[in-house]
Amino acid sequence: GAVVSQHPSWVICKSGTSVKIECRSLDFQATTMFWYRQFPKQSLMLMATSNEGSKATYEQGVEKDKFLINHASLTLSTLTVTSAHPEDSSFYICSARESQGIGEQYFGPGTRLTVT
Amino acid sequence: AQKITQTQPGMFVQEKEAVTLDCTYDTSDPSYGLFWYKQPSSGEMIFLIYQGSYDQQNATEGRYSLNFQKARKSANLVISASQLGDSAMYFCAMSLTSGTYKYIFGTGTRLKVLA
Repeated sequence: GAVVSQHPSWVICKSGTSVKIECRSLDFQATTMFWYRQFPKQSLMLMATSNEGSKATYEQGVEKDKFLINHASLTLSTLTVTSAHPEDSSFYICSARESQGIGEQYFGPGTRLTVT
Repeated sequence: AQKITQTQPGMFVQEKEAVTLDCTYDTSDPSYGLFWYKQPSSGEMIFLIYQGSYDQQNATEGRYSLNFQKARKSANLVISASQLGDSAMYFCAMSLTSGTYKYIFGTGTRLKVLA
């Protein structure tokens, strides 16, 4: 089946530093990748949609300069949290979909970010 | 506007019994897909079952079945013979089969299976 990896699985960083999270589709080409944020006991909140070679489309209320998304290839998308602050602490999940099929998104295992 | 509603924040079920998790949706688009995912405490999203808007029959995957009532815009998940390992958060999601195919998620239902 389609596998999506995320790295790192967890990260602790100091306030003011930047953190990069990688999302890779391991056995398929992902034309579209999605980035979600999830707070404890809440649903997934879509942050942005990225297509390979194009600028990401951010959801309303998501700061583009704070959450930089790059989709450099058909198998890799990155999310960089710039100048992280404690309120950015959250669980970040990426997903990817192929160009064919029913539109199913394959999810990565998630990255837990803690900003101290 | 598209919307997914899950009205049960939490559910309990006895082991080996069946349980139904509710999901209603709202869209004016005739072409869409409905998905159910399980999220255990580890955080991974596990795909359970899919129903397309044009599918005539209800989807089934092992112990999971989807009770699709198009006129009522409902897509309830039925888990038969519940197991302790079924304890998790369950999300219903809708994808419009046009544009970016982005998901609209419900708020989720936390299921606890009792021994």
